[in-house]
Amino acid sequence: AQSVSQHNHHVILSEAASLELGCNYSYGGTVNLFWYVQYPGQHLQLLLKYFSGDPLVKGIKGFEAEFIKSKFSFNLRKPSVQWSDTAEYFCAAVYAGNMLTFGGGTRLMVKP
Amino acid sequence: EPEVTQTPSHQVTQMGQEVILRCVPISNHLYFYWYRQILGQKVEFLVSFYNNEISEKSEIFDDQFSVERPDGSNFTLKIRSTKLEDSAMYFCASSLYGQAGTGELFFGEGSRLTVL
Repeated sequence: AQSVSQHNHHVILSEAASLELGCNYSYGGTVNLFWYVQYPGQHLQLLLKYFSGDPLVKGIKGFEAEFIKSKFSFNLRKPSVQWSDTAEYFCAAVYAGNMLTFGGGTRLMVKP
Repeated sequence: EPEVTQTPSHQVTQMGQEVILRCVPISNHLYFYWYRQILGQKVEFLVSFYNNEISEKSEIFDDQFSVERPDGSNFTLKIRSTKLEDSAMYFCASSLYGQAGTGELFFGEGSRLTVL
């Protein structure tokens, strides 16, 4: 079955630490990949997306993600996190049609 | 900035009752979606809607669920006879283009449904 896996359920970092959140998808064919973020009390919003082309994708707020086809991965990175990055992060994929498949989410807490 | 709005933000209902969750998508968007998230679980796709009909639905979206776009602005999810396991956060989303194309989904803040 087509799925998206996020390995880290909870991550706690201090400010200025580097961040990498893992995401793996299951499908070997064409896939569109996304990272969404949900700040406390707010709606899901798009951080970045990959459809094709340069596998290193830059998003908003200094986030980036790298699509590695051989590893079926699309990890999210940020070189230096801030307290305001505290949120839940969701990796998602569209394999076909109009259905977005989400990973289980990673709760990030950044300590000031 | 245009946004997707959902009402109510929280609804408590008795098992077996009908519930209607309302959404106002972004005005020029063409594709509409419902997702849900049961507490502690993944966000799950329910249904997508385009050109006044369901374009795709998941196994979760059984006969007790229905969607409607009754006018030019609202997009509703109806649960005919609620069950305890329907308790979840329901997210509405809209996009200008289809998700498989270049479409970015814009989500509402969610409606929390609690079935007692």
